[in-house]
Amino acid sequence: EVQLVQSGEEVRKPGESLRISCKGSGFTFTSYWIGWVRQMPGKGLEWMGIIYPFDSDTRHSPSLQGQVTISADKSISTAYLQWSSLKAADTAMYYCVRSMVRGVAGPFDIWGQGTMVTVSS
Amino acid sequence: DIQMTQSPSSLSASVGDRVTITCRASQGISNSLAWFQQKPGKAPKLLLYAASSLESGVPSRFSGSGSGTDYTLTISSLQPEDFATYYCQHYYSSPHTFGQGTRLEIK
Repeated sequence: EVQLVQSGEEVRKPGESLRISCKGSGFTFTSYWIGWVRQMPGKGLEWMGIIYPFDSDTRHSPSLQGQVTISADKSISTAYLQWSSLKAADTAMYYCVRSMVRGVAGPFDIWGQGTMVTVSS
Repeated sequence: DIQMTQSPSSLSASVGDRVTITCRASQGISNSLAWFQQKPGKAPKLLLYAASSLESGVPSRFSGSGSGTDYTLTISSLQPEDFATYYCQHYYSSPHTFGQGTRLEIK
């Protein structure tokens, strides 16, 4: 079965660092683009960026550039979303997604279950 | 960046109604458009891609059309399980912007 399994819920304080993960299984991880989507509480979906694990080619949303880092470890079929200094505004559900077609950046058909990140003092 | 304007933001309809949701891109996106359905507490689900191609397992009452900058999602006969929030997303170029969403409610 093709699936993306994300790491569990996180609660952090402002200024702390965090890395959440997304592990792919049932498909060749290096052949598909993996992306991240943010959904703040009660709000819509926001595209954060994508990575091609084969060569780590990465595209970030300009609005989030420098605030988060997208990376991948192809040896363990896992993509990551990382913050060096969290803010309360980072409180959101984060979904990872997989592209439908090998090597093509979109559309994205497979979604992880989501990781809720809460940042509060 | 390409902006996606989705309308309406909310819609009330009854079971059996035909509903249409529109999405307008700020520039041409060559049918590189997907539609998603999201129910409360769940991850979004892909309904259509390439503007009009139905994802496997999605009921045929869902259809998509459009070209250039203007696209529509149509549900031909609303079923109780269709009440949810719908999003369009282009994937023509990065960033792959989403529309603001349309909340479909029971009248």
